[in-house]
Amino acid sequence: EAGVAQSPRYKIIEKRQSVAFWCNPISGHATLYWYQQILGQGPKLLIQFQNNGVVDDSQLPKDRFSAERLKGVDSTLKIQPAKLEDSAVYLCASSLDPLAGVSDTQYFGPGTRLTVL
Amino acid sequence: QKEVEQDPGPLSVPEGAIVSLNCTYSNSAFQYFMWYRQYSRKGPELLMYTYSSGNKEDGRFTAQVDKSSKYISLFIRDSQPSDSATYLCAFNTGGFKTIFGAGTRLFVKA
Repeated sequence: EAGVAQSPRYKIIEKRQSVAFWCNPISGHATLYWYQQILGQGPKLLIQFQNNGVVDDSQLPKDRFSAERLKGVDSTLKIQPAKLEDSAVYLCASSLDPLAGVSDTQYFGPGTRLTVL
Repeated sequence: QKEVEQDPGPLSVPEGAIVSLNCTYSNSAFQYFMWYRQYSRKGPELLMYTYSSGNKEDGRFTAQVDKSSKYISLFIRDSQPSDSATYLCAFNTGGFKTIFGAGTRLFVKA
Protein backbone atom coordinates (compact mmCIF):
# COMPACT_ATOMS: atom_id res chain seq x y z
CA GLU A 1 0.00 0.00 0.00
CA ALA A 2 1.51 3.33 -1.04
CA GLY A 3 1.81 5.94 1.68
CA VAL A 4 0.86 9.60 1.74
CA ALA A 5 2.81 11.49 -0.92
CA GLN A 6 3.84 15.11 -0.59
CA SER A 7 5.72 17.49 -2.84
CA PRO A 8 7.94 19.34 -2.91
CA ARG A 9 10.06 17.98 -0.06
CA TYR A 10 11.90 21.25 0.42
CA LYS A 11 11.14 24.85 -0.54
CA ILE A 12 13.02 28.07 0.08
CA ILE A 13 11.30 31.38 -0.67
CA GLU A 14 11.60 35.01 0.32
CA LYS A 15 9.03 36.70 2.49
CA ARG A 16 5.98 38.03 0.68
CA GLN A 17 6.33 35.36 -2.01
CA SER A 18 3.72 32.66 -2.59
CA VAL A 19 4.13 28.92 -2.22
CA ALA A 20 1.98 25.85 -2.73
CA PHE A 21 2.23 22.33 -1.37
CA TRP A 22 0.62 19.22 -2.77
CA CYS A 23 -0.61 16.08 -1.02
CA ASN A 24 -1.87 12.77 -2.35
CA PRO A 25 -3.45 10.71 0.44
CA ILE A 26 -3.62 6.94 0.68
CA SER A 27 -6.13 5.61 -1.81
CA GLY A 28 -9.60 5.36 -0.36
CA HIS A 29 -8.94 7.53 2.68
CA ALA A 30 -11.82 9.91 3.25
CA THR A 31 -10.18 12.29 5.70
CA LEU A 32 -7.20 14.50 4.94
CA TYR A 33 -5.32 16.74 7.38
CA TRP A 34 -2.77 19.51 6.99
CA TYR A 35 -0.52 20.18 9.97
CA GLN A 36 2.16 22.80 10.62
CA GLN A 37 5.15 21.65 12.66
CA ILE A 38 7.49 24.41 13.76
CA LEU A 39 10.97 23.30 14.87
CA GLY A 40 10.86 21.98 18.41
CA GLN A 41 7.06 21.82 18.53
CA GLY A 42 4.43 19.20 17.90
CA PRO A 43 2.22 19.23 14.80
CA LYS A 44 -0.60 21.79 14.88
CA LEU A 45 -3.72 21.08 12.84
CA LEU A 46 -4.36 23.72 10.18
CA ILE A 47 -7.29 22.19 8.32
CA GLN A 48 -9.16 18.90 8.11
CA PHE A 49 -11.19 17.69 5.15
CA GLN A 50 -13.73 14.89 5.08
CA ASN A 51 -14.00 13.92 1.43
CA ASN A 52 -13.99 17.40 -0.16
CA GLY A 53 -15.72 19.24 2.68
CA VAL A 54 -13.97 21.17 5.47
CA VAL A 55 -14.45 19.71 8.96
CA ASP A 56 -12.17 22.06 10.92
CA ASP A 57 -10.17 25.07 9.79
CA SER A 58 -10.26 27.00 13.05
CA GLN A 59 -6.46 27.33 13.25
CA LEU A 60 -5.87 28.18 9.60
CA PRO A 61 -4.67 31.81 9.17
CA LYS A 62 -7.21 32.52 6.49
CA ASP A 63 -5.78 35.91 5.55
CA ARG A 64 -2.78 34.17 4.00
CA PHE A 65 -3.38 30.42 3.97
CA SER A 66 -5.83 28.56 1.76
CA ALA A 67 -6.44 24.89 1.06
CA GLU A 68 -8.59 22.88 -1.23
CA ARG A 69 -9.33 19.25 -1.85
CA LEU A 70 -10.73 18.75 -5.28
CA LYS A 71 -12.84 15.66 -5.94
CA GLY A 72 -12.12 14.44 -2.43
CA VAL A 73 -8.66 13.11 -3.31
CA ASP A 74 -5.56 15.32 -3.75
CA SER A 75 -5.15 18.51 -1.79
CA THR A 76 -3.12 21.70 -2.08
CA LEU A 77 -2.16 24.13 0.65
CA LYS A 78 -1.15 27.65 -0.38
CA ILE A 79 0.49 30.49 1.48
CA GLN A 80 0.24 33.98 0.01
CA PRO A 81 2.12 36.08 1.04
CA ALA A 82 4.59 34.14 3.18
CA LYS A 83 6.01 35.51 6.42
CA LEU A 84 9.20 34.58 8.24
CA GLU A 85 7.17 32.81 10.95
CA ASP A 86 5.72 30.42 8.34
CA SER A 87 9.06 28.57 8.26
CA ALA A 88 8.08 25.06 9.32
CA VAL A 89 7.42 21.54 8.11
CA TYR A 90 3.98 21.14 6.57
CA LEU A 91 2.67 17.65 7.13
CA CYS A 92 -0.21 16.01 5.33
CA ALA A 93 -1.99 13.03 6.87
CA SER A 94 -4.94 10.88 5.88
CA SER A 95 -7.23 8.41 7.61
CA LEU A 96 -9.68 5.86 6.33
CA ASP A 97 -12.96 6.27 8.13
CA PRO A 98 -13.81 9.45 10.04
CA LEU A 99 -16.77 7.74 11.68
CA ALA A 100 -14.29 5.48 13.49
CA GLY A 101 -13.15 8.52 15.43
CA VAL A 102 -9.77 8.57 17.07
CA SER A 103 -9.22 4.85 16.72
CA ASP A 104 -8.92 5.53 13.01
CA THR A 105 -5.17 5.85 12.52
CA GLN A 106 -3.74 8.94 10.85
CA TYR A 107 -0.97 8.18 8.35
CA PHE A 108 1.47 11.00 7.78
CA GLY A 109 3.47 11.93 4.71
CA PRO A 110 7.16 12.95 4.93
CA GLY A 111 6.31 16.65 4.99
CA THR A 112 7.45 19.73 3.07
CA ARG A 113 10.15 21.75 4.78
CA LEU A 114 9.55 25.45 4.09
CA THR A 115 12.17 28.09 4.75
CA VAL A 116 11.13 31.72 4.42
CA LEU A 117 14.05 34.18 4.15
CA GLN B 1 -0.97 26.53 31.75
CA LYS B 2 -0.36 24.67 28.50
CA GLU B 3 -2.85 22.01 27.54
CA VAL B 4 -0.03 19.48 27.07
CA GLU B 5 3.45 19.54 28.60
CA GLN B 6 6.29 17.33 27.36
CA ASP B 7 9.99 17.61 28.19
CA PRO B 8 11.83 18.18 24.88
CA GLY B 9 15.01 16.43 26.08
CA PRO B 10 17.26 15.36 24.53
CA LEU B 11 17.35 12.10 26.44
CA SER B 12 20.45 9.98 25.86
CA VAL B 13 20.62 6.38 27.08
CA PRO B 14 22.87 3.36 26.44
CA GLU B 15 21.60 0.46 24.37
CA GLY B 16 19.55 -1.97 26.45
CA ALA B 17 18.35 0.64 28.95
CA ILE B 18 14.72 1.11 29.95
CA VAL B 19 13.44 4.44 28.70
CA SER B 20 10.64 6.40 30.34
CA LEU B 21 8.91 9.20 28.42
CA ASN B 22 6.21 11.30 30.01
CA CYS B 23 3.56 13.92 29.35
CA THR B 24 1.19 15.85 31.54
CA TYR B 25 -2.06 17.41 30.40
CA SER B 26 -4.71 19.71 31.78
CA ASN B 27 -7.84 18.91 29.76
CA SER B 28 -10.03 16.49 31.71
CA ALA B 29 -12.06 15.78 28.56
CA PHE B 30 -9.20 13.87 26.94
CA GLN B 31 -10.23 10.23 26.59
CA TYR B 32 -7.76 8.87 24.04
CA PHE B 33 -4.05 8.92 24.68
CA MET B 34 -1.51 8.23 21.96
CA TRP B 35 2.19 8.00 21.35
CA TYR B 36 3.73 8.77 17.96
CA ARG B 37 7.31 8.20 16.86
CA GLN B 38 8.94 10.60 14.41
CA TYR B 39 12.25 9.84 12.77
CA SER B 40 14.33 12.71 11.44
CA ARG B 41 12.86 14.20 8.25
CA LYS B 42 9.88 11.82 8.37
CA GLY B 43 6.26 12.20 9.36
CA PRO B 44 5.00 10.88 12.72
CA GLU B 45 3.77 7.29 12.93
CA LEU B 46 1.34 5.99 15.51
CA LEU B 47 3.00 3.67 18.04
CA MET B 48 0.22 3.05 20.54
CA TYR B 49 -3.08 4.40 21.66
CA THR B 50 -4.96 3.83 24.90
CA TYR B 51 -8.52 4.57 25.91
CA SER B 52 -8.99 5.70 29.52
CA SER B 53 -6.68 4.75 32.38
CA GLY B 54 -4.46 1.71 32.64
CA ASN B 55 -1.59 0.02 30.88
CA LYS B 56 -1.20 -1.32 27.38
CA GLU B 57 1.72 -3.41 26.20
CA ASP B 58 2.98 -4.03 22.67
CA GLY B 59 6.29 -5.84 22.42
CA ARG B 60 8.99 -3.69 24.03
CA PHE B 61 6.61 -0.75 24.45
CA THR B 62 4.23 -0.11 27.35
CA ALA B 63 1.86 2.85 27.49
CA GLN B 64 0.52 3.91 30.85
CA VAL B 65 -2.27 6.38 31.59
CA ASP B 66 -3.10 7.89 34.98
CA LYS B 67 -6.16 10.07 34.49
CA SER B 68 -6.34 11.05 38.15
CA SER B 69 -2.90 12.66 37.89
CA LYS B 70 -3.34 13.71 34.23
CA TYR B 71 -0.11 11.94 33.41
CA ILE B 72 0.84 9.50 30.68
CA SER B 73 4.01 7.52 30.12
CA LEU B 74 5.66 5.42 27.46
CA PHE B 75 8.21 2.83 28.53
CA ILE B 76 10.65 1.25 26.11
CA ARG B 77 12.40 -1.89 27.30
CA ASP B 78 15.72 -3.11 25.92
CA SER B 79 16.15 0.10 23.94
CA GLN B 80 17.91 -0.14 20.57
CA PRO B 81 19.75 2.46 18.47
CA SER B 82 16.84 2.15 16.01
CA ASP B 83 14.59 3.61 18.72
CA SER B 84 16.44 6.94 18.38
CA ALA B 85 13.71 9.36 17.31
CA THR B 86 11.37 12.02 18.63
CA TYR B 87 8.42 10.68 20.62
CA LEU B 88 5.24 12.75 20.60
CA CYS B 89 2.39 12.27 23.03
CA ALA B 90 -1.04 13.08 21.62
CA PHE B 91 -4.52 13.47 23.03
CA ASN B 92 -8.09 13.45 21.77
CA THR B 93 -11.43 14.08 23.44
CA GLY B 94 -13.20 11.58 21.22
CA GLY B 95 -13.78 14.09 18.46
CA PHE B 96 -11.63 14.53 15.39
CA LYS B 97 -9.02 16.97 16.71
CA THR B 98 -5.75 15.56 18.05
CA ILE B 99 -3.50 17.73 20.25
CA PHE B 100 0.21 16.89 20.12
CA GLY B 101 2.95 17.47 22.67
CA ALA B 102 6.19 19.12 21.58
CA GLY B 103 8.03 15.78 21.49
CA THR B 104 10.99 14.32 23.37
CA ARG B 105 14.16 13.60 21.41
CA LEU B 106 15.63 10.22 22.34
CA PHE B 107 19.13 9.01 21.49
CA VAL B 108 20.06 5.39 22.15
CA LYS B 109 23.83 4.88 22.05
CA ALA B 110 25.27 1.58 20.78
